[in-house]
Amino acid sequence: KAGVTQTPRYLIKTRGQQVTLSCSPISGHRSVSWYQQTPGQGLQFLFEYFSETQRNKGNFPGRFSGRQFSNSRSEMNVSTLELGDSALYLCASSLELAGTGELFFGEGSRLTVL
Amino acid sequence: GENVEQHPSTLSVQEGDSAVIKCTYSDSASNYFPWYKQELGKGPQLIIDIRSNVGEKKDQRIAVTLNKTAKHFSLHITETQPEDSAVYFCAASRGGGSNYKLTFGKGTLLTVNP
Repeated sequence: KAGVTQTPRYLIKTRGQQVTLSCSPISGHRSVSWYQQTPGQGLQFLFEYFSETQRNKGNFPGRFSGRQFSNSRSEMNVSTLELGDSALYLCASSLELAGTGELFFGEGSRLTVL
Repeated sequence: GENVEQHPSTLSVQEGDSAVIKCTYSDSASNYFPWYKQELGKGPQLIIDIRSNVGEKKDQRIAVTLNKTAKHFSLHITETQPEDSAVYFCAASRGGGSNYKLTFGKGTLLTVNP
C-alpha cells in the first residue's frame, strides 16, 4: 500500500512569508502527527490530529498551526517565517493515537528560510 | 512533561562489533518505548518497540532492554553491518491519549566501518 506522502519536498522562503505543508497519510490511518527535525535537536513534536481534532500540541509558538480534513489528509502552516524555522518537517500517520503503536513517517518537507 | 535523554550522540564501530545506545526517561508512567532508524534522506522507521510489561525483546540482531526501576532502556545491535549506519531515535510515551505524546531523544548517529 502507498506510504505517507508529503508535499512539497523542498521549498525556499524568505523571512516574513508564510508556508503551507501537506501530508497524505496511509489509507485508513486516522492520526497524523507533525514533527520538526533540526540538527542536534532530534524530533520536536508540533501537534497531532485525530479524526479532524487536535489532540496534542507541542511547545511551539502560535505561528505554527495545522488542520486535518475529513479524508485524514493534514496541512500545517507557519506564518511570519523566521530564520530559525529552517528545518525538515516530518509528518507521521498511525491507526490510533501516536504513542500507542507504530508511526509511519513520510520523507519530510525541507524548508529553508532566507 | 516527559524528558528523554539519549547517549551517545555519535557512535562508531567496526563491522561485526556490537553497538549499544542508551536512553533515560523522566515520567514513571511511561509504558511504551519504541526505537526508530532514520537513513539519510528518509523518514524514521520503527525497528523495535517494547512495552513496560516486559523487560527484554529481541528481533534477530536487534534487542531492547527496559529497566523500569531505573527508568532507562537500551538498544543493542549485534554483528553490525554497514547498512546499520543511520541515526537512531528512542522515544517514550504513556500510551496515547489527549494529553500524552510520544517524546523522542535527540538521536544517535551510528557509523559502521567496513
